[in-house]
Amino acid sequence: AQSVTQPDIHITVSEGASLELRCNYSYGATPYLFWYVQSPGQGLQLLLKYFSGDTLVQGIKGFEAEFKRSQSSFNLRKPSVHWSDAAEYFCAVGGYSNYQLIWGAGTKLIIKP
Amino acid sequence: NAGVTQTPKFQVLKTGQSMTLQCAQDMNHNSMYWYRQDPGMGLRLIYYSASEGTTDKGEVPNGYNVSRLNKREFSLRLESAAPSQTSVYFCASSGTGRDTIYFGEGSWLTVV
Repeated sequence: AQSVTQPDIHITVSEGASLELRCNYSYGATPYLFWYVQSPGQGLQLLLKYFSGDTLVQGIKGFEAEFKRSQSSFNLRKPSVHWSDAAEYFCAVGGYSNYQLIWGAGTKLIIKP
Repeated sequence: NAGVTQTPKFQVLKTGQSMTLQCAQDMNHNSMYWYRQDPGMGLRLIYYSASEGTTDKGEVPNGYNVSRLNKREFSLRLESAAPSQTSVYFCASSGTGRDTIYFGEGSWLTVV
């Protein structure tokens, strides 16, 4: 079965510390991979996406993610978090079209001052 | 810079009542979507419209209907609301079915 797992429901990180959010997937074909961010009371915004090519993908707001096919993972990283990064982060995996996207349950990031 | 606009933002319904969620985008996108978001479950696609004049069921279409009124507008109707439809609803659009999805700010619906 196709699925996306974000193992951490909540993560708390101190401001200025590094961040890694985990995303594991099960998908039968070559996956297209996405990370979205949802700030409180807002809709989702695309952070980055991977379709093919370089497995290290750069996104907006200083985020990056690395596709590891052997581990079926697409973890999101940031070297130094800011208080404004507090939000919920969603990983999604899909095929050819957006209509096939499978969404993870999300990881809520809490920033400690 | 409106992007995707959906109304209302908050609504409380009684079981059995009907309502329509309105959505409009000003980005000249072909594809539009309705999702629901429930705690611990991520987003689930209710219906989508690949282009003006077409609509298709997503993962959880039961209890909902949609209308793609024109290229800009895509409405979601609950004919007889049930408590299980208490959720946050997101309208979204993309240029084509493979382009970046842009989301509205959400509509919080409570059915009592």
